[in-house]
Amino acid sequence: DQQVKQNSPSLSVQEGRISILNCDYTNSMFDYFLWYKKYPAEGPTFLISISSIKDKNEDGRFTVFLNKSAKHLSLHIVPSQPGDSAVYFCAASFKAGGSNYKLTFGKGTLLTVNP
Amino acid sequence: DTGVSQNPRHKITKRGQNVTFRCDPISEHNRLYWYRQTLGQGPEFLTYFQNEAQLEKSRLLSDRFSAERPKGSFSTLEIQRTEQGDSAMYLCASSGRPQETQYFGPGTRLLVL
Repeated sequence: DQQVKQNSPSLSVQEGRISILNCDYTNSMFDYFLWYKKYPAEGPTFLISISSIKDKNEDGRFTVFLNKSAKHLSLHIVPSQPGDSAVYFCAASFKAGGSNYKLTFGKGTLLTVNP
Repeated sequence: DTGVSQNPRHKITKRGQNVTFRCDPISEHNRLYWYRQTLGQGPEFLTYFQNEAQLEKSRLLSDRFSAERPKGSFSTLEIQRTEQGDSAMYLCASSGRPQETQYFGPGTRLLVL
């Protein structure tokens, strides 16, 4: 049972436009959500996160939105740049019950930003 | 650079051999995690240390796998009697304050022939 789902394996956008990456989760225990960016043969790089007590967090060109009632979050990148081309992973965690903030990842979305 | 480091970056071994990977976390981080990533999948949790104590192990971590974190600093992950299904990217991450945010190393890519 996949608790974190990224239903779009790939997304292609034009440089300068908005990229919107989506993520759904099923476990209502999750209270912290993160987005990571990954280039081939490298480890994931932390981008931005959001706590379940918020519905929006912004950092430069990156904004994450959280809709708890729909168990849905999204990452917006504006404006998109060719260097943003990578695989983006959504991850979720919680502390209760000894979970210790271990991360549960989606399968990733390959973003391609065309010049 | 004070990020998470992992060695080796690549390892090719024959089935049945033992391999050991090392992870050096960010120096002030007391929490250390190991994950495994296979092609087309997101990273999957293997085990977690708080300081030198191993507090959680995934059911993915069979008895051929063992991890240690002596003195609460670096960690090693050993796989005994490797199998072809062990071929994957092994990722290490650490966190400090805030505890919720984990920072990953570059990974060790293992290929078992």
